[in-house]
Amino acid sequence: GAGVSQSPSNKVTEKGKDVELRCDPISGHTALYWYRQSLGQGLEFLIYFQGNSAPDKSGLPSDRFSAERTGGSVSTLTIQRTQQEDSAVYLCASSLATSGVYEQYFGPGTRLTVT
Amino acid sequence: DAKTTQPPSMDCAEGRAANLPCNHSTISGNEYVYWYRQIHSQGPQYIIHGLKNNETNEMASLIITEDRKSSTLILPHATLRDTAVYYCIVRVAIYNQGGKLIFGQGTELSVKP
Repeated sequence: GAGVSQSPSNKVTEKGKDVELRCDPISGHTALYWYRQSLGQGLEFLIYFQGNSAPDKSGLPSDRFSAERTGGSVSTLTIQRTQQEDSAVYLCASSLATSGVYEQYFGPGTRLTVT
Repeated sequence: DAKTTQPPSMDCAEGRAANLPCNHSTISGNEYVYWYRQIHSQGPQYIIHGLKNNETNEMASLIITEDRKSSTLILPHATLRDTAVYYCIVRVAIYNQGGKLIFGQGTELSVKP
C-alpha cells in the first residue's frame, strides 16, 4: 500500500521567506511526527500529533516553526522568516499508535535549502 | 528516556553476519529496545524491537542480555544493501499512545564485497 508521502521533495528559498512542507501519512495512522536531520544535529524530533490530543511541540526550535494537522490526516509544517540554519531534511513519520508496537513509518523527506 | 551508546562505525564482509552492539545500562523495566536503520538519502526504517526476550523477524535478530543493559542486533547474512546507519533507541511503548523517538548518533555499518 501507499507509504508516507512528503512534498515538495526539494525546496530552495531565500532567507526571510516563509515555507510550507506537507506530509500525507499512511491512511488510518493516528500518530504523526515531524523530525529534521541536519549535518550538525543528526536526527531530531520536532513535533508529534496523536489523535485529538494536544500536540507535543517540545522539539520545535523556535516560534518561527509551527505545524498543524487537519482532519486527523494531512499535516503542514510551516517555517516563517527562514534562516540559513533551517537548512535540513525534514522528515515526517506516522504510526498506528493503537498497535502498541510503536513502529514509525518515515517518508522520504523534504530537503530545504535556505540561501 | 534511557540513553544508548553505540560504536560510531563498523565494517562487515558481504555474506557474513553483522553484529551491532548497543549499551543501554540505565534502561527502565517498562522500556523497549527498538532498532531503526537509515540508508543514505532515505528516511529511517524500522527493523525490530524487544522488551526482554530475544526476537527474530525477516530482517534481523535482536539479542537482549538478561540484565537488559545491552543488546545486539544481528543481520545474519549481510548484503551490500545493508550498508546504512543503524540506530538503537529505548522507549516506553504504551498502548494507544505514540511518542517521539530520540535518535543518537547510531552505528554506520559498511558492508564490503
